[in-house]
Amino acid sequence: GIQVEQSPPDLILQEGANSTLRCNFSDSVNNLQWFHQNPWGQLINLFYIPSGTKQNGRLSATTVATERYSLLYISSSQTTDSGVYFCAAQGSGGSNYKLTFGKGTLLTVNP
Amino acid sequence: SAVISQKPSRDICQRGTSLTIQCQVDSQVTMMFWYRQQPGQSLTLIATANQGSEATYESGFVIDKFPISRPNLTFSTLTVSNMSPEDSSIYLCSVGAGGMNEQFFGPGTRLTVL
Repeated sequence: GIQVEQSPPDLILQEGANSTLRCNFSDSVNNLQWFHQNPWGQLINLFYIPSGTKQNGRLSATTVATERYSLLYISSSQTTDSGVYFCAAQGSGGSNYKLTFGKGTLLTVNP
Repeated sequence: SAVISQKPSRDICQRGTSLTIQCQVDSQVTMMFWYRQQPGQSLTLIATANQGSEATYESGFVIDKFPISRPNLTFSTLTVSNMSPEDSSIYLCSVGAGGMNEQFFGPGTRLTVL
């Protein structure tokens, strides 16, 4: 099955700083999603982005499908951005809709 | 996107007992999924809940341990059977949207087994 690797595993920022999170995947994808898991465990959908670039406020994401990676940009970070960011991919081979998750990036934004 | 609810939101159970988790969606969806997140870990797919047929389990997960029901297109249950402390995890259901590719997750059930 598809492999998903995220980097860095941990990131500590001061409020107001910018950051880039990376997701590498091993195969072509039908689906690539970014999630934020809040302290209560809920997964918040950030982007559905199997290819191209999207922006939503201070967050943006780019997926370069041909090179098998995706980037999540966080600008002017706030303490509420803290939490775990997951990338998840669904391979284009086969008929299942399984999402394979990376191990996540733990982001801590200090005031 | 669909609104997904789960019950219970959390529970503390004794080893050897079973817990049934419910997942309710506010619209009909073709496929529903159950994931497990062990403490400090990422999410792992347990099974796909198929309406009208048996669930499809991922490697390492078996029906006797995690029986799943899917009586209609808006509801599913996952039972964690004969629990041990290793079953302490967050259990999340998810549904597909927009032609099944994008998935949305319920709020999760935080299970602690003593």
